[in-house]
Amino acid sequence: DVKVTQSSRYLVKRTGEKVFLECVQDMDHENMFWYRQDPGLGLRLIYFSYDVKMKEKGDIPEGYSVSREKKERFSLILESASTNQTSMYLCASGEGSGGSYEQYFGPGTRLTVT
Amino acid sequence: AQSVAQPEDQVNVAEGNPLTVKCTYSVSGNPYLFWYVQYPNRGLQFLLKYITGDNLVKGSYGFEAEFNKSQTSFHLKKPSALVSDSALYFCAVDSAPNNAGNMLTFGGGTRLMVKP
Repeated sequence: DVKVTQSSRYLVKRTGEKVFLECVQDMDHENMFWYRQDPGLGLRLIYFSYDVKMKEKGDIPEGYSVSREKKERFSLILESASTNQTSMYLCASGEGSGGSYEQYFGPGTRLTVT
Repeated sequence: AQSVAQPEDQVNVAEGNPLTVKCTYSVSGNPYLFWYVQYPNRGLQFLLKYITGDNLVKGSYGFEAEFNKSQTSFHLKKPSALVSDSALYFCAVDSAPNNAGNMLTFGGGTRLMVKP
């Protein structure tokens, strides 16, 4: 089974703090993704990476950055957390072009910024 | 730009009755279509996909979906609902073949409530 793990299930941070969310996958997938999930808005793509050290902006990259130093690990960074970044954050991985197309999701991190 | 619409925020159905969760999409090019399910406090789980071929796709837990190109729809169906099917369902679309990273666009989600 594909396994995608996220470093924390619940996180509470203060406004202005730097926040790191970590994601690890064990299936040697080329692609990794960070989404945020908000009620009524579904999932919105923040950033994705198709290879080590490669990244592409998604639909809502403002206020976020990412890092992919190793193939299995993809980090989401909130440089200065704000209350409007309170959300559920989901990491996913998937095969590259020519693969099976579906994405595999981690359990999510519920972040609260106070 | 590609988009997905799930017109119902919530669908209520009695156990044993058939269920339908609606999804329409908009893409340029051929669509790749997906359904995911999210149980409480869990990540998303893949249910089924349409890439090409037969318009009726069968997936996990007895779910199926029908791709209708003329109506740009991909409705999720199950002949007989179970209480354990109660969850949040997401439809997603990707466009092909000009895609290297399978970038999915998700709908807003539909909460399915199955009552005993």
